[in-house]
Amino acid sequence: GAVVSQHPSRVICKSGTSVKIECRSLDFQATTMFWYRQFPKQSLMLMATSNEGSKATYEQGVEKDKFLINHASLTLSTLTVTSAHPEDSSFYICSAITGTGVTEAFFGQGTRLTVV
Amino acid sequence: GQNIDQPTEMTATEGAIVQINCTYQTSGFNGLFWYQQHAGEAPTFLSYNVLDGLEEKGRFSSFLSRSKGYSYLLLKELQMKDSASYLCAVMDSNYQLIWGAGTKLIIKP
Repeated sequence: GAVVSQHPSRVICKSGTSVKIECRSLDFQATTMFWYRQFPKQSLMLMATSNEGSKATYEQGVEKDKFLINHASLTLSTLTVTSAHPEDSSFYICSAITGTGVTEAFFGQGTRLTVV
Repeated sequence: GQNIDQPTEMTATEGAIVQINCTYQTSGFNGLFWYQQHAGEAPTFLSYNVLDGLEEKGRFSSFLSRSKGYSYLLLKELQMKDSASYLCAVMDSNYQLIWGAGTKLIIKP
């Protein structure tokens, strides 16, 4: 099946710094990528949807200036957590689809972010 | 609003069969997915249903009734490694995935 590579898998950063998470589709063109956040024992919560070459669409309650999403190509999307705080500590997962006729959403491995 | 409902937790015995139900109300429908997620890991794809009926894939089967807004995931010959959360998700008319809260499945020897 198709592969989505997410990097890094784990990151620890100091409060106030920024962290960039990359999500790459390795063998297909991802017309749409989704960014999720998952707190312990909870389901995936959609943060934003990004389409290649256009601005991301953020879900209600997600600060677009804090969670910067760039989808510059059909194979790469990045999420930058700016001025991270301990409450941003979470599991972040990206997902990609190829557009219409979707039969599967492909997930990255996830990034465990810990802000200290 | 859009809503996906599934049981919070289920317990079953190794070697047995378990059925996890999912009901949904969404804006449009472009398919229903089942994913398995072990703690601390990303979800892994199990099945996709877009037409009514049963899709069988090894020990796992998934059923869909669009008129009833209902699906189930059937796991046969349960193994200890099947202990995980099972997530039901529906793709709406905008191709966005609407997620259920997940069902934690506990397998006992």
